[in-house]
Amino acid sequence: DAKTTQPNSMESNEEEPVHLPCNHSTISGTDYIHWYRQLPSQGPEYVIHGLTSNVNNRMASLAIAEDRKSSTLILHRATLRDAAVYYCILGYNTDKLIFGTGTRLQVFP
Amino acid sequence: DAGVTQSPTHLIKTRGQQVTLRCSPKSGHDTVSWYQQALGQGPQFIFQYYEEEERQRGNFPDRFSGHQFPNYSSELNVNALLLGDSALYLCASSLLTSGVPLSYNEQFFGPGTRLTVL
Repeated sequence: DAKTTQPNSMESNEEEPVHLPCNHSTISGTDYIHWYRQLPSQGPEYVIHGLTSNVNNRMASLAIAEDRKSSTLILHRATLRDAAVYYCILGYNTDKLIFGTGTRLQVFP
Repeated sequence: DAGVTQSPTHLIKTRGQQVTLRCSPKSGHDTVSWYQQALGQGPQFIFQYYEEEERQRGNFPDRFSGHQFPNYSSELNVNALLLGDSALYLCASSLLTSGVPLSYNEQFFGPGTRLTVL
């Protein structure tokens, strides 16, 4: 299984942009890059995914390096509700999700 | 839409006992995956069920078994409980259809069952 590397923790102030990095140098050609987040006392929830091109949705943007060996999840304006553990995961579409320890994001008012 | 539901919310068992956890997938979904999340760790994949068969399995012993019913709901059974089985057990559902994903299928997670083994 391809491995991802993320910082253990990051901090942001409310309404500022947040860039959460993820390195995945051993990514395979069929691996999607998935981002899930886990709010306190909840199950993980889907944030965004991509394969090769940058992606935008109502929650976030995903910027994927041209060689696909790294990616960045971008929260354009952090809110207190965005405080969570963010997981960057590689895998085929409906395959098992291999979670690492993720990045704990703290958002300050 | 009820989303993924799990029962019970919390459970306390003693070593050596057996436990059954239940999951109802999101409406329209046909695939159920189970994950174990120890305190401070990311979820670890246990297994996935589709068409009432185990489709994939993670690195868990045979003490962990499952079942999927015709209505797509699922059970996770753990025999001979150990202290180390104490964790949050998460169920996730997705749509596979005919064994091949037709489009990207995000997984929807339930709130989990907190199992404590004493």
